[in-house]
Amino acid sequence: ETGVTQSPTHLIKTRGQQVTLRCSSQSGHNTVSWYQQALGQGPQFIFQYYREEENGRGNFPPRFSGLQFPNYSSELNVNALELDDSALYLCASSDREKAGDTQYFGPGTRLTVL
Amino acid sequence: AQKITQTQPGMFVQEKEAVTLDCTYDTSDPSYGLFWYKQPSSGEMIFLIYQGSYDQQNATEGRYSLNFQKARKSANLVISASQLGDSAMYFCAMRPITGGGNKLTFGTGTQLKVEL
Repeated sequence: ETGVTQSPTHLIKTRGQQVTLRCSSQSGHNTVSWYQQALGQGPQFIFQYYREEENGRGNFPPRFSGLQFPNYSSELNVNALELDDSALYLCASSDREKAGDTQYFGPGTRLTVL
Repeated sequence: AQKITQTQPGMFVQEKEAVTLDCTYDTSDPSYGLFWYKQPSSGEMIFLIYQGSYDQQNATEGRYSLNFQKARKSANLVISASQLGDSAMYFCAMRPITGGGNKLTFGTGTQLKVEL
């Protein structure tokens, strides 16, 4: 177990709704990264937060937004949901100040948009 | 930009045998890290092994070893003595070490099936 937790495990929403996904990072880690994994594909980087600041963003529209809290936990918010947002959402925590800086993943949140 | 290529969509191996999963990469970054992750059907991405581009020796972690050939830009994963529990999707990934940010770029994965 990595110590990275995500909630909820599964979620079903309808088009146009908004969703918030949550991630608790591993103890001692200061960085959280979010990835979207569509069925049959590798994960795609959404964005990363380091010490509460956004520190890089992938090719995702502004309706994907995030937050990192002082305890380094994080939220991913998606507004105006589209059918293509159906995917597994993975968060990963790491320590950017450590050599190697390996990202450890949580179990994911499976989002279905109807 | 970084790119990871995994050309084997699926692989079969007999229990107790060794298997090699291929990974080639492309990057303009002078320093980078290479990773392998295992993803069972449950969905969680499990870290297996890391290789820094500056490391002289190939990384090993238990039954996993990474065959790093920098000139050929390849980072193949070798699993020795395969077990039924090794059946899963395997992803190769990389990130830059310099330049800030540590976004992981993943390949499309290889589905490994271990048979009796």
